[in-house]
Amino acid sequence: GNSVTQMEGPVTLSEEAFLTINCTYTATGYPSLFWYVQYPGEGLQLLLKATKADDKGSNKGFEATYRKETTSFHLEKGSVQVSDSAVYFCALRGTNAGGTSYGKLTFGQGTILTVHP
Amino acid sequence: DAGVTQSPTHLIKTRGQQVTLRCSPKSGHDTVSWYQQALGQGPQFIFQYYEEEERQRGNFPDRFSGHQFPNYSSELNVNALLLGDSALYLCASSSGGYSNQPQHFGDGTRLSIL
Repeated sequence: GNSVTQMEGPVTLSEEAFLTINCTYTATGYPSLFWYVQYPGEGLQLLLKATKADDKGSNKGFEATYRKETTSFHLEKGSVQVSDSAVYFCALRGTNAGGTSYGKLTFGQGTILTVHP
Repeated sequence: DAGVTQSPTHLIKTRGQQVTLRCSPKSGHDTVSWYQQALGQGPQFIFQYYEEEERQRGNFPDRFSGHQFPNYSSELNVNALLLGDSALYLCASSSGGYSNQPQHFGDGTRLSIL
């Protein structure tokens, strides 16, 4: 079955530091890949997505590139802010060659990010 | 434009009881998925509803059941509650049934079992 593995956390950085959160996946077919962010006491917010190999998703300074050859979708940001402190989840959703979604999202275990001033 | 709304926000039950959680999807969305998020873990897929039918189901026992109404809102029912059912229950909505549109999440219902 499908699975997602994220780097173990928590990750603690100083403001303006470079961020990388590693994510690798196992899936058959043509999965779409997502990063979601969860702030304390809230649900998940979609941060960015990529639907095919070599696609780069980007939003709010965060980027991730869909690497089929390494089955990876690492999240990066060049300069983090205190407001980026949250839990980050990598997720995949299986699709077939025609783009039909299999519906369910499979999540990694999450990575806690804390940014200090 | 209202997003996904869930009710109640918090709920406390005892073992053996039954609970119903509710979800209204984002405007324009017709597909609802439910997830269970245990403390410190990623969400686990429970099931998905489209056109008032359960379309896909995760690895959860029959104690977990659901329903989707003609207005696309949905309910999650859990019978014979166990301590292990304590979790944040998230509802997510999307559009187009089998399309590859992203899912949008509500803030969840925190269920505590005593």
